[in-house]
Amino acid sequence: GQQLNQSPQSMFIQEGEDVSMNCTSSSIFNTWLWYKQDPGEGPVLLIALYKAGELTSNGRLTAQFGITRKDSFLNISASIPSDVGIYFCAGQLPGAGSYQLTFGKGTKLSVIP
Amino acid sequence: KAGVTQTPRYLIKTRGQQVTLSCSPISGHRSVSWYQQTPGQGLQFLFEYFSETQRNKGNFPGRFSGRQFSNSRSEMNVSTLELGDSALYLCASSLAGAENIQYFGAGTRLSVL
Repeated sequence: GQQLNQSPQSMFIQEGEDVSMNCTSSSIFNTWLWYKQDPGEGPVLLIALYKAGELTSNGRLTAQFGITRKDSFLNISASIPSDVGIYFCAGQLPGAGSYQLTFGKGTKLSVIP
Repeated sequence: KAGVTQTPRYLIKTRGQQVTLSCSPISGHRSVSWYQQTPGQGLQFLFEYFSETQRNKGNFPGRFSGRQFSNSRSEMNVSTLELGDSALYLCASSLAGAENIQYFGAGTRLSVL
């Protein structure tokens, strides 16, 4: 099946630093989504992107939908301890009847106070 | 507005048994999707239901089945459980026409012994 390559797999950063992670695919996606998952919980939607080139912010988070529609990145500015968790990218493939999301394997973020 | 509710949160079963998991979507959401999350495979799509009809199915054996009721609540069933079925099962709901934006529940953690 389709795969999203998400990198890095894990990161250790100091509180206050900026963070960048990205997702790439060999396939074109209609929608890119970024989720955060805390231990024992389900993924929480952070940002949704709908058009190639779109840049969207949500507080300290900024994400972009790549021009080729095959990639997306997420930036977190001025990280804080509560940013700890696993961040997933997800995409929806084009085509009628495509209701499923394809997920990356996640980026595990650790913030050192 | 209440989020997606999944019950039970935790389940322990033995090989060969069957299990039924329940999901109540966000009020007004008519599309319900199910995903399996494991450390090795990540989040994988199981199936999606809308108006009591399965519209999409992932690449899982027939032991995995689901249904949706007229109030949009959904259940998934796994028969003849195997050790490899141990996972976090996540349910997500979305609005009709906006199935690309999915909101997740906290999941049901299934352990098969």
